Amino acid sequence: DAGITQSPRHKVTETGTPVTLRCHQTENHRYMYWYRQDPGHGLRLIHYSYGVKDTDKGEVSDGYSVSRSKTEDFLLTLESATSSQTSVYFCAIRGTSGNQPQHFGDGTRLSIL
Amino acid sequence: AQSVSQHNHHVILSEAASLELGCNYSYGGTVNLFWYVQYPGQHLQLLLKYFSGDPLVKGIKGFEAEFIKSKFSFNLRKPSVQWSDTAEYFCAVKTANAGGTSYGKLTFGQGTILTVHP
Repeated sequence: DAGITQSPRHKVTETGTPVTLRCHQTENHRYMYWYRQDPGHGLRLIHYSYGVKDTDKGEVSDGYSVSRSKTEDFLLTLESATSSQTSVYFCAIRGTSGNQPQHFGDGTRLSIL
Repeated sequence: AQSVSQHNHHVILSEAASLELGCNYSYGGTVNLFWYVQYPGQHLQLLLKYFSGDPLVKGIKGFEAEFIKSKFSFNLRKPSVQWSDTAEYFCAVKTANAGGTSYGKLTFGQGTILTVHP
């Protein structure tokens, strides 16, 4: 399995609180992604990174921000969590060379009450 | 915008039955296509991928998929399913920005839940 660690694995918090999810990789891959998974929607891209300090928005970026200060870490922040952000969040990584697929972490189950 | 459609939300089969899950995409350019599987409580795992060449792609666990460019389809097949194939299956296409760069981003279908009864 790809060396991807997501933390925390589970979190319950209240509406209006800030939340930060961490994705850590040991593969030295250039590309990192954050998705959310909701029933009936599959996985939807929130933000992605194509290098240190290089990030861009995905399909459902409203209410989320990201940071990548070093290759191995990609942080996803909910500045003021809302109940609609209750979801399972997956981080994925991908190498640069050739035709490489994305590899996924184990996910973070986030509940916002 | 690119989109991926999986027409079957939930498929229920008995062991040894044949499986075909539909996947259609909307994208006019060159595509890279993927099928991922998610077993209950686990992360997504790659089943197979198509980048170029032979449109019939073989993956792990006896799965295969056929890329039919004229139909914008990439259906997943398995001749004989097992109880252990119970999972959710996702089709995905690698997308590109307006300038043609991709950054490897994927657009996923809604997923198909497969339940296999012993």
